[in-house]
Amino acid sequence: KQEVTQIPAALSVPEGENLVLNCSFTDSAIYNLQWFRQDPGKGLTSLLLIQSSQREQTSGRLNASLDKSSGRSTLYIAASQPGDSATYLCAVFNDYKLSFGAGTTVTVRA
Amino acid sequence: GAGVSQSPSNKVTEKGKDVELRCDPISGHTALYWYRQSLGQGLEFLIYFQGNSAPDKSGLPSDRFSAERTGGSVSTLTIQRTQQEDSAVYLCASSYSGGGTEAFFGQGTRLTVV
Repeated sequence: KQEVTQIPAALSVPEGENLVLNCSFTDSAIYNLQWFRQDPGKGLTSLLLIQSSQREQTSGRLNASLDKSSGRSTLYIAASQPGDSATYLCAVFNDYKLSFGAGTTVTVRA
Repeated sequence: GAGVSQSPSNKVTEKGKDVELRCDPISGHTALYWYRQSLGQGLEFLIYFQGNSAPDKSGLPSDRFSAERTGGSVSTLTIQRTQQEDSAVYLCASSYSGGGTEAFFGQGTRLTVV
């Protein structure tokens, strides 16, 4: 069974600092890895999708890396803003389903 | 529609009643998933539909839970004889195909069983 772990569980940084969110998974036979953002009381918003053959994916201030062999992904958010405050979820796709980590709750202080 | 649509957004029901939750996936998406998010818990997989194939029901927590997908589009998740532990946010997602393409989630249905 795929196990996904996200560290840290919570993170508080001052505005402007770069964010580094970590995700690890136990079964490296994945199709892809997807990062999501969840605001309180809301659904999930897709941020980045990395296919298993890719090493990284970038979108604006967001960059995600994938090391499938070691079962790790890192999401970098550059120059954080208060609007980046949310819970970030990592999910890996294998066995025809997405398996999620518990998330990292980020607070960016103005 | 432009995104995944779920209804109702909120549902309060009495213990023992049946409830139906609806999901309209993005047009053209063949894969549809249901997940459950309980307070303070991670997302729990419930069921997966891919085209006309038999659904993967391996995540359904009990036989009180069932789901169907009509015409390869709209899906309904039914919970019979609701219990308080069924209180959670039920999230639906769709993707273009089941081969690990990008998944898009709806806003969820918050179910409260009193």
